[in-house]
Amino acid sequence: KAGVTQTPRYLIKTRGQQVTLSCSPISGHRSVSWYQQTPGQGLQFLFEYFSETQRNKGNFPGRFSGRQFSNSRSEMNVSTLELGDSALYLCASRDTGTVTGELFFGEGSRLTVL
Amino acid sequence: AQSVTQLGSHVSVSEGALVLLRCNYSSSVPPYLFWYVQYPNQGLQLLLKYTTGATLVKGINGFEAEFKKSETSFHLTKPSAHMSDAAEYFCAVSEAPSSASKIIFGSGTRLSIRP
Repeated sequence: KAGVTQTPRYLIKTRGQQVTLSCSPISGHRSVSWYQQTPGQGLQFLFEYFSETQRNKGNFPGRFSGRQFSNSRSEMNVSTLELGDSALYLCASRDTGTVTGELFFGEGSRLTVL
Repeated sequence: AQSVTQLGSHVSVSEGALVLLRCNYSSSVPPYLFWYVQYPNQGLQLLLKYTTGATLVKGINGFEAEFKKSETSFHLTKPSAHMSDAAEYFCAVSEAPSSASKIIFGSGTRLSIRP
């Protein structure tokens, strides 16, 4: 099976712009989670989507949003970018049919905001 | 709410020495616990997990972890470090014993291996 695929891998934006990141989960996985990773804050949970519905949400401002499509692919959007949004954004899918539903991560999208 | 504390943001050991990475959790319900590893410029990879049953869990690459309920700990060990073990390691806890629960990560421990 192919792993979790994230695009783009790297991108540079300027303050005030918006960005959309894409994630294709492992085939058969209906849950997609997004995390923000920064040196200072570690891994922070953004949100999780399951069957096109947001199931869990972290403590991020409304500028961070996401959605999931019927094929389980997910996108996250950050509007009005700030310098502090520079981070590695990780997507993870999970098979909620298993006992633990452990996460399988993509390689991430590294966002730099100038 | 569940939380995870990893003691030591950076651990350095000599090649061939014991690796011990510490993790303590806070959970109001029996937890599911995980250790993940992240190599440079990559995503996270599952090393091992604890659900129920045997408290000593073996994972990939020779790592193992022991769940100690009385100490609320889930420390990761490897008897003999290898240069390829240099990476960042994350301990994580599931908010509830369910495959649908949010998974909370610790702040990570960077492991360096001295030749």
